[in-house]
Formats: sequence, C-alpha cells, structure tokens
Amino acid sequence: ETGVTQSPTHLIKTRGQQVTLRCSSQSGHNTVSWYQQALGQGPQFIFQYYREEENGRGNFPPRFSGLQFPNYSSELNVNALELDDSALYLCASVHRDTGELFFGEGSRLTVL
Amino acid sequence: GDSVTQMEGPVTLSEEAFLTINCTYTATGYPSLFWYVQYPGEGLQLLLKATKADDKGSNKGFEATYRKETTSFHLEKGSVQVSDSAVYFCALTPWGDSSYKLIFGSGTRLLVRP
Repeated sequence: ETGVTQSPTHLIKTRGQQVTLRCSSQSGHNTVSWYQQALGQGPQFIFQYYREEENGRGNFPPRFSGLQFPNYSSELNVNALELDDSALYLCASVHRDTGELFFGEGSRLTVL
Repeated sequence: GDSVTQMEGPVTLSEEAFLTINCTYTATGYPSLFWYVQYPGEGLQLLLKATKADDKGSNKGFEATYRKETTSFHLEKGSVQVSDSAVYFCALTPWGDSSYKLIFGSGTRLLVRP
C-alpha cells in the first residue's frame, strides 16, 4: 500500500478526444510526477509538479498538461488523443523528508 | 542523453536458483541508481538504491552494486522464490537534476517456477 490512488483504473477513448486522469497522494507529499508506460516498455517521465507549478518536463508535446492542487491531488490531461497515447499512466508522489517516490497502480488508457 | 539498458526477458528460473539481471547505464557524472519491481496488478515499488560509486543497495535478499568503472548496476539474488516473479526495472536519476525524474530501462520479466 503506497498511499497513492489513481482513477479511473481503465478507460477507453477514441482518437481526437480528451482525457483527464486523477491522482491522490498522502499528506506531506508535495511533489508529484507522471509517467507513461507503453506495453512492454519502461515508464517515461512526462512532467513533475511542485507546489502547484510544473518544474520539470520530459519529451512530451504540450497537449499533455497537468494540474496539482493544495490537497495533494493532481490531474493529467491529454488533448487530441492519438492511438500511440494508449498506455498505462503512472502517478508518483515524493515523500517530502526522504525523497522516496511512491507509485500508484496506474490508469490504463486505450485509444481506438 | 542519459539512458538505461537492461537484459531482455523473460528470465525463467527454478525456485532457489541464483538470479542475475544485468543493467548498464549511460550518464554524465554520478547519477543515483535504482531497482524497482512491479508485481502483477500492483504499482512500481522501490526495491533498492545506490547513490554513489561502490555503494551496495540491498533489500529482501536482493543486492546491486554501483560500478562506476563499468557503468553497471546488476541485480542479484542468491535463491529466488516463486513470490519473486515480477517485472524488474533498473532506473537512474540524472546527476545534478533538481527534479525527481527517473529514467527507466525497458524492464525484465522474471518467472520463478516451483
């Protein structure tokens, strides 16, 4: 049990649609990052938020955006979905004192 | 840019066999190195880490040593159990990066047979 909860666990969208994925972490975890894990691959860093501001971004286009809220929850938004966006999306929150990352179980997105 | 390369799986072993999963990295400076494990239906969990050269990370019988000279961080366990069946990911945090960004390898699936 990592204390990081993601929703929904599975969803199906069609190309061109928009999706919002949600993550809830524990008190004291004030940094959150999102990863995309394609089937059979390792997770790839999308971006990181600290105190509600983006402070690190991987090689993903601007149609991937995020929000972080004061209650330790966050969102990943993806616009204009493409078939290649089909993947498991992982949220990770960082323990403020130890710096350890705690991962949620992920949201599996299928784009048809 | 920085990258991590892992041996391809699946790796299939009998219970109590010795395990080695190879991991090499390409990075500038002194990245921190990690092994994460993903059990079926669960999220990624930190297995062990090492933050400087010659450090040995260990947990649950698993070990890995940070080898700067060979840019490697191979995972070993002396006697695997069926419950060790999972996907193992080697990862690094780039040196000097102020974020908590992790760069992962592609993962190695381990299957342990009774």
